Amino acid sequence: DGGITQSPKYLFRKEGQNVTLSCEQNLNHDAMYWYRQDPGQGLRLIYYSQIVNDFQKGDIAEGYSVSREKKESFPLTVTSAQKNPTAFYLCASAAGTGPEAFFGQGTRLTVV
Amino acid sequence: AQKVTQAQTEISVVEKEDVTLDCVYETRDTTYYLFWYKQPPSGELVFLIRRNSFDEQNEISGRYSWNFQKSTSSFNFTITASQVVDSAVYFCANRGLMDSNYQLIWGAGTKLIIKP
Repeated sequence: DGGITQSPKYLFRKEGQNVTLSCEQNLNHDAMYWYRQDPGQGLRLIYYSQIVNDFQKGDIAEGYSVSREKKESFPLTVTSAQKNPTAFYLCASAAGTGPEAFFGQGTRLTVV
Repeated sequence: AQKVTQAQTEISVVEKEDVTLDCVYETRDTTYYLFWYKQPPSGELVFLIRRNSFDEQNEISGRYSWNFQKSTSSFNFTITASQVVDSAVYFCANRGLMDSNYQLIWGAGTKLIIKP
């Protein structure tokens, strides 16, 4: 089945650690996005990528890093510089010809 | 300015009532897309509908209907005969048609509670 897979579903991080959230899509979509969602809040864009080996910062990129070495994959690293990383993280992708974005099931990150 | 406003933070109705979720947008683009997404408690955002700015025809899909009014920059979503399974957070979003960076502008969401 075509879709977007995020893993893990739940992730716990100790303070000072870097963690990487996985996002894979088999929809052959050009664009991929990472969003952060805090409880009771909307979506805030962290990073997005339109093509392989290229990505742009969104509204809240500080403390995060990404890579886009393959079209199918857009991993997000939450670094120790991100002071308040506990949140729900959503990955999405969109085709060049189709404007709607499709989402993965999300990763819930908790700092312990 | 690019902005999407969902003024209703939370709506609570009894099952079988009709309910309308409001969405007002601001855009500098002459052609654009509008979207509605549903976020059930599981967390995944589910795509519901896309509307192009040059197509103001309203759409009905089962119990769901959408009213696009370009004159008032609104794209409202109505659920008829609501059901408990409709309980979710609903997001409205906007994107420029010629926007090459695929950025979506999101509303803050409306939490819909359907009581049995």
